[in-house]
Amino acid sequence: EIVLTQSPATLSLSPGERATLSCRASQSVGNYLAWYQHKPGQAPRLLIYDVSYRATGIPARFSGSGSGTDFTLTISSLETEDFAVYYCQQRSDRLTYSFGQGTKLEIK
Amino acid sequence: QVQLAESGGGVVQPGRSLRLSCAASASTFSGYALHWVRQAPGKGLEWVAVVSYDGGNKYYADSVKGRFTISRDNSKNTLYLQMNSLRAEDTAVYYCARDATYSSTWYYYFYGMDVWGQGTTVTVSS
Repeated sequence: EIVLTQSPATLSLSPGERATLSCRASQSVGNYLAWYQHKPGQAPRLLIYDVSYRATGIPARFSGSGSGTDFTLTISSLETEDFAVYYCQQRSDRLTYSFGQGTKLEIK
Repeated sequence: QVQLAESGGGVVQPGRSLRLSCAASASTFSGYALHWVRQAPGKGLEWVAVVSYDGGNKYYADSVKGRFTISRDNSKNTLYLQMNSLRAEDTAVYYCARDATYSSTWYYYFYGMDVWGQGTTVTVSS
């Protein structure tokens, strides 16, 4: 089973600042890496797929990068609506999936 | 616009069964793999199971294998999750989600889960 470890657990920043969220896999996941935003009481929202491709309607301030086992989600300039929990997700070659434990992005 | 709506949640005793449903609003349901994902109280997202676009292949998380069964009825645009031998640790909000990868390309690519329902709550308690 591939384990995804996200860091930090909590990130405290102010609007306008740059956010950098990390996701590390216990073994290579190739390009099978996605990022989601999740707010309380709402459905999760797909942000990034295939490591670096923005999903439909996602603002350009969100970007993804990385390869193999180390991945990063960057939000270039935080808006107030960006404060939420963020999850990375992988798909294995055996067609099973897992999420990281999440990073809570909170207003400083 | 494809939308998903879960139903069937509730309070159930340990060891009992429950069946969740997820209805889609558009015919595009049939071309995509579909997932169940859950979130226990105060915890993160946990992938539960996936069924291929044609219902022919199913995969499960180890935590539910042998107890849960995912299925779909493409004629009714509905996804199901049969949950047996429920445990307290199955208490969660259960979401259905569409895999963005169309048809048989799902086996070779992963474009994320692009459409989600609002979730249905399952509480396992005596």
